[in-house]
This record gives sequence, structure tokens and C-alpha cells, in this order.
Amino acid sequence: QVQLQESGPGLVKPSETLSLTCTVSGGSIRSYYWSWIRQSPGKGLEYIGYVYYSGSTSYNPSLKSRVTLSVDASKNQFSLKLSSVTAADTAVYYCARERGIKAFDIWGHGTMVTVSS
Amino acid sequence: QSVLTQPPSVSGAPGQRVSISCTGSSSNIGAGYDVHWYQQLPGTAPKLLIYANTNRPSGVPDRFSGSKSGTSASLAITGLQAEDEADYYCQSYDSSLSGSVFGGGTKLTVL
Repeated sequence: QVQLQESGPGLVKPSETLSLTCTVSGGSIRSYYWSWIRQSPGKGLEYIGYVYYSGSTSYNPSLKSRVTLSVDASKNQFSLKLSSVTAADTAVYYCARERGIKAFDIWGHGTMVTVSS
Repeated sequence: QSVLTQPPSVSGAPGQRVSISCTGSSSNIGAGYDVHWYQQLPGTAPKLLIYANTNRPSGVPDRFSGSKSGTSASLAITGLQAEDEADYYCQSYDSSLSGSVFGGGTKLTVL
């Protein structure tokens, strides 16, 4: 079955850019929406946005100015870049498959990213 | 402050029934957008529990059920088991934000 795996640095310095990649295995990245969701320590879930396999995107307005999502269908991967990070961006970042009904039916295990100098 | 409002915590004894509410507004649940529910066991990723208001993915026990009315939705769990102790989140789409929104989460404690 389809599985997702996040990868990227676990530590990012303030003001730098956080970069994560999600690899899709067991299925094709085509014909689905692929999303990023984060969870600050001890807090709830925050939607970051999605990228469609064709490359179209949608972002959370509160993060839009700093977020870029992209997809590489040839590698069955999609990526997140979050610029000008601060300590408030410290969180577990999850990648997930978003269905047309806007439900997230498959999730990665999550990767913890800490913003600290 | 989450767009969707959930009680911070609920509790129940084994075998009992509990319900978790999710209150939205006219730009999300009240606009007719579907509500989905997730279960997050400690230290793990969220898992889709109920989709499109009332539907259970394959493998989810029928002890879990969802409903929706007006600007609110509810998740009911019957025959509570110790393994149900987790955080539960509701999620919907918000037209004013043009994106998905989550509730703040509800911690279920099985007494």
C-alpha cells in the first residue's frame, strides 16, 4: 500500500529556510493532492498547504508568504520550503495524501524540525 | 484559536459511550463542507477515523461513528476501550481561508 516518508534536516537556524521532502512509495504520485501539516510541541494540527501532482498549489494564508510547495513526479516526491524560520516554526512536520473530499487518508510518520541557533 | 472548536478533554469508563463535538461556522461546516475525524495515539501520526461526516475507512471499528448537523459535527465512541485513549481532531474545509482547517483537538481519557 501507499506509504509516505519525510526527510530533511532536524535542525534549522533562525532566519534560514526549512526544506523537507516526502517520498511516496507503493503507488504513484499522479492524480492526487499532496499536503503538509505541522504540529508544534504539545499543540494541535496546522494545515500548511497542498501541491497537486501537476504542480498547482494552495497555501494556508497565514504561511503563504513564506511557503513553497513543489512536486517531482519523476521521483515520486514532493517538497516543502519554509523561509525565514523562527522558533515558532519548531514542530513535527507531516506529509499526507489529500483526497478530493479534503480528507487526509495517508500520513507519513512525521519529522521533528527544531529551529535554533 | 482554532477555526473549529472542540472540547479540550473528555473522559469515560471502559464500556461507556462518549461524544466529542466540533463546532464551526457558516464558512466551513455550515457551508456544507465535509467533516473528517482523526485519531492520534501518543507519539504517532494522526490516522483517518471518519471521513465525509459519517464514513469509516476499512479497518476502523463500528464503535466509532460520526454525525453532522448545521454548523457542528460529533464523533461518538461506544464500548470504550483502553486503546481508545488518544487525541481526536476534527477537520473541514473553510471557504474564507480557501483551505483545510482543524479543531484544536480533544484528549480522550479512559478512566
